[in-house]
Amino acid sequence: EIVLTQSPGTLSLSPGERATVSCRASQSVSSNYLAWYQQRPGQAPRLLIYGASSRAPGIPDNFSGSGSGTDFTLTIRRLEPEDFAVYYCQQYGSSPWTFGQGTKVEI
Amino acid sequence: QVQLQESGPGLVKPSETLSLSCTVSGGSISTNYWSWIRQPPGKGLEWIGYIYYNWGTNYNPSLKSRVTISVDTSKNQLSLKLSSMTAADTAVYFCATQTYGANSYFDSWGRGTLVTVSS
Repeated sequence: EIVLTQSPGTLSLSPGERATVSCRASQSVSSNYLAWYQQRPGQAPRLLIYGASSRAPGIPDNFSGSGSGTDFTLTIRRLEPEDFAVYYCQQYGSSPWTFGQGTKVEI
Repeated sequence: QVQLQESGPGLVKPSETLSLSCTVSGGSISTNYWSWIRQPPGKGLEWIGYIYYNWGTNYNPSLKSRVTISVDTSKNQLSLKLSSMTAADTAVYFCATQTYGANSYFDSWGRGTLVTVSS
């Protein structure tokens, strides 16, 4: 199975700052089938990015994804108060689908 | 967009079998791929498996020997059975769908239901 390793584990930032989260795969992700999700406390994950760089419907352009192969990045250009949450990457190119361990973006 | 709602017992005894349901509204259970995903308290996400009505199932090898996922088209429901439950199975269980096929992202999620394994 493909293991996804996210870094850092926790990101301590202030509103208005830029956040960068890394996701590294143990082997190449087929067709860049890599998604990013946001999870707020007590809520289900919400799809942000799919196909490594395509924004899901309704997601502001403040969020962007990049990368290919084994290295992927989620960038939040300017942090809004509601962006402080946990972010997960997930690959859906090779079964079993797997998730990264999560990155907490905190104030 | 489809809506999903999980239901089931909040407490299960060790060695028992967990049975959960997920009711789908705004779409048909006969289309899309439907998955179960779980999240132990304070931890990350683990995909359990999926079903596609006209094709079959695909389970995570780590749980394959204990998992059964099925659909009831008359109720537009997805179900999960997980046998031989232990404390390590304590988690929030989510149902989710992949609208664009097996190799696609989870675009709709239920709110999740917490299952605790304890005697």
